[in-house]
Amino acid sequence: AQKITQTQPGMFVQEKEAVTLDCTYDTSDPSYGLFWYKQPSSGEMIFLIYQGSYDQQNATEGRYSLNFQKARKSANLVISASQLGDSAMYFCAFHSGGSNYKLTFGKGTLLTVNP
Amino acid sequence: GAVVSQHPSRVICKSGTSVKIECRSLDFQATTMFWYRQFPKQSLMLMATSNEGSKATYEQGVEKDKFLINHASLTLSTLTVTSAHPEDSSFYICSATGTGWAEQYFGPGTRLTVT
Repeated sequence: AQKITQTQPGMFVQEKEAVTLDCTYDTSDPSYGLFWYKQPSSGEMIFLIYQGSYDQQNATEGRYSLNFQKARKSANLVISASQLGDSAMYFCAFHSGGSNYKLTFGKGTLLTVNP
Repeated sequence: GAVVSQHPSRVICKSGTSVKIECRSLDFQATTMFWYRQFPKQSLMLMATSNEGSKATYEQGVEKDKFLINHASLTLSTLTVTSAHPEDSSFYICSATGTGWAEQYFGPGTRLTVT
């Protein structure tokens, strides 16, 4: 079974600085996808970024980038130039290519951006 | 990104009654929809996967007779919590994806309180 681990229950960052949220996964499937979602206190899940296992380049979306290290089975999220509105829970999620796109979520990291 | 709505956003019901939650994809055809449950300060747990026109596939430990799922059209899935009890109180959130898509788009969630 796939396993996804977020080891940081909480992280603090100063406004305008960059922060890295860790995510590691464990799978024997050759084809899989990794996702990051943001969940503010309102509860909605906001899709941030996706990385496919066969993608050669690290995914980037605006201030979000995914540091994908396949050999280490890690998919860390980097948020550059943090803003106060970035304070939220961040979930890493995984799906294997043959799983009908079912997502397995990590436990999440609560990010607090300080002014 | 694609838009998914959920209704109602909050519901309070008495023990023993049934509650229906709707999940709609507003600007795309959702071939697959997923239902998750999230307890406070915890991650999302997948309850079931629903393909349009087919019976839902439930995750291990989820009672299919208690959590009835219907996916009658490409834009609508419903979750009915039958004979609700206080332990069913939780945040229920749906997601939807289109054919060949990797990412899932989430609804805003429904907070159910059973008194």
